[in-house]
Amino acid sequence: GAGVSQSPSNKVTEKGKDVELRCDPISGHTALYWYRQSLGQGLEFLIYFQGNSAPDKSGLPSDRFSAERTGGSVSTLTIQRTQQEDSAVYLCASRFDRGEYYGYTFGSGTRLTVV
Amino acid sequence: GDSVTQMEGPVTLSEEAFLTINCTYTATGYPSLFWYVQYPGEGLQLLLKATKADDKGSNKGFEATYRKETTSFHLEKGSVQVSDSAVYFCALSVTSGYALNFGKGTSLLVTP
Repeated sequence: GAGVSQSPSNKVTEKGKDVELRCDPISGHTALYWYRQSLGQGLEFLIYFQGNSAPDKSGLPSDRFSAERTGGSVSTLTIQRTQQEDSAVYLCASRFDRGEYYGYTFGSGTRLTVV
Repeated sequence: GDSVTQMEGPVTLSEEAFLTINCTYTATGYPSLFWYVQYPGEGLQLLLKATKADDKGSNKGFEATYRKETTSFHLEKGSVQVSDSAVYFCALSVTSGYALNFGKGTSLLVTP
């Protein structure tokens, strides 16, 4: 597609349930990132995938969070046993590289509300 | 570690006023610097960027100059419009292999 697609756009879940958030990056983009945007907190880096390399998970806030990227394309962010503090907008971005020139494109995000 | 600090909002301006949103950075290497904009209900969009010292990024009347001596990348616009109302994020990337580090965002409201 023309942009980074995220689904669902909105998700309301009960505390303690697991959720899966999906990201379809732009075809041909080399890297994929997940960020979390909380009210008043800006954007927090969660995890980063680059080609076939092991992902950089340094931003994941707890072991309840995990992500995978299948076939170097679609990525799923999973949050287990959701807590109210997980409520946020989860943003996915993909990156293209053309030599020294590179850029990032963001999806519209998934708004997660844990009740 | 690498980080970005930007002025806190909200910033409220009248239409046609001059806008400055301050952004300073800390980085161990030579970062690329970015401004992203998030309009209400929409995703993040790249507004402009600069990849080396003294570069000026510009787009839609906005400008920012990469100042290595002051480690700054302030966003400016000479005459804001109501349609510029949005949240603006300053960000850096030390190399193309790393994630963007974002500031906390500055909310701008332009009134008629």
